Amino acid sequence: AQKVTQAQTEISVVEKEDVTLDCVYETRDTTYYLFWYKQPPSGELVFLIRRNSFDEQNEISGRYSWNFQKSTSSFNFTITASQVVDSAVYFCALDRGSTLGRLYFGRGTQLTVWP
Amino acid sequence: DAGVIQSPRHEVTEMGQEVTLRCKPISGHNSLFWYRQTMMRGLELLIYFNNNVPIDDSGMPEDRFSAKMPNASFSTLKIQPSEPRDSAVYFCASIPLRDSLSGYTFGSGTRLTVV
Repeated sequence: AQKVTQAQTEISVVEKEDVTLDCVYETRDTTYYLFWYKQPPSGELVFLIRRNSFDEQNEISGRYSWNFQKSTSSFNFTITASQVVDSAVYFCALDRGSTLGRLYFGRGTQLTVWP
Repeated sequence: DAGVIQSPRHEVTEMGQEVTLRCKPISGHNSLFWYRQTMMRGLELLIYFNNNVPIDDSGMPEDRFSAKMPNASFSTLKIQPSEPRDSAVYFCASIPLRDSLSGYTFGSGTRLTVV
């Protein structure tokens, strides 16, 4: 069975603080894909990153960085120098390589950045 | 690129009425997905299509729900008769079949309220 766990339901930080959102996944597949999506208060789902299971390189995009560790089945997301505009719900998701198309979402982490 | 287009953005209907949600995927994307988001269950896949053919409808909650994709540029999700527990945000998403680089592009969602 596929499962994505985001243990942090809510996180609050003050602007300019760094914050890490945790994601732990379960799958027996050897090929799979991991995603992060952002859902701002307006409600849309914004794609942030896709990572393939065979590529464990960490990725940095501006203030965002992702740490993928297969040994611990984790795909954590760090925002450096957080800003008020980062306030949103962030979802981690898993897609099985064998049946490309079905995303298994975690329950999301509500991030609030205070000025 | 206009993105995935969903209509209506908001729908309020009375219990027992038929509701039809609409989705236009990105041109050239051959896979289309319907997701539902509720507080209780989070984001869950209802059904998805590849090349207009339904592949997995195991997430459709019951016979009151039906989905069609008559052509590559249009899909509908119908609820008949609607019930208050169907109140949720319904998202449509699309992706090129067997794409290995991108994330799933979601529409802005339809917020359905059944009273």
